Amino acid sequence: SQKIEQNSEALNIQEGKTATLTCNYTNYSPAYLQWYRQDPGRGPVFLLLIRENEKEKRKERLKVTFDTTLKQSLFHITASQPADSATYLCAPYSGGYQKVTFGTGTKLQVIP
Amino acid sequence: DADVTQTPRNRITKTGKRIMLECSQTKGHDRMYWYRQDPGLGLRLIYYSFDVKDINKGEISDGYSVSRQAQAKFSLSLESAIPNQTALYFCATSDSRGVSYEQYFGPGTRLTVT
Repeated sequence: SQKIEQNSEALNIQEGKTATLTCNYTNYSPAYLQWYRQDPGRGPVFLLLIRENEKEKRKERLKVTFDTTLKQSLFHITASQPADSATYLCAPYSGGYQKVTFGTGTKLQVIP
Repeated sequence: DADVTQTPRNRITKTGKRIMLECSQTKGHDRMYWYRQDPGLGLRLIYYSFDVKDINKGEISDGYSVSRQAQAKFSLSLESAIPNQTALYFCATSDSRGVSYEQYFGPGTRLTVT
């Protein structure tokens, strides 16, 4: 069965550093991979989508990579700020009439 | 006004009661979803609907039912609530014509079954 793995342990980093979060998937060949941010008690908010034919995607301080050989996506936040503290969810998606499946998320804490 | 609204926002109910959670959207999206979120288990899909006449079970549909009354409305029912249905429930929408396939989530309903 499809499996999505995100680091379940919280990631603590110092303000100004680059945070790197990992999303691995198995038994799956998604054409797209989405990343969402979720704050406590609130619904997830979409951040970025990367397609299988894109190696890298950037949006402001965010960078996402997608390695279909390794079946892995990396999510980077550069120059991290305390306001970036949240849980980040990855969501591989095959497109069309397939449903999106969410990973369990990684909690990021940026320490001032 | 919020694009995706959920009512109620909080609900405490007793075991065995029937309860309905409602979701409305003003985004004009054709696809709607119901998820539950439990600590450590992430978001799990309960039911989804790709248009008004389409209803599909997700990974944890047992004990739940849904109704898509209109393109903008998607309701989730717990026919006979049990304590392990205590969770945070989210409704979401997406546009099949969108380029990023992103889902827009409502604010959530916190349900407690005693």
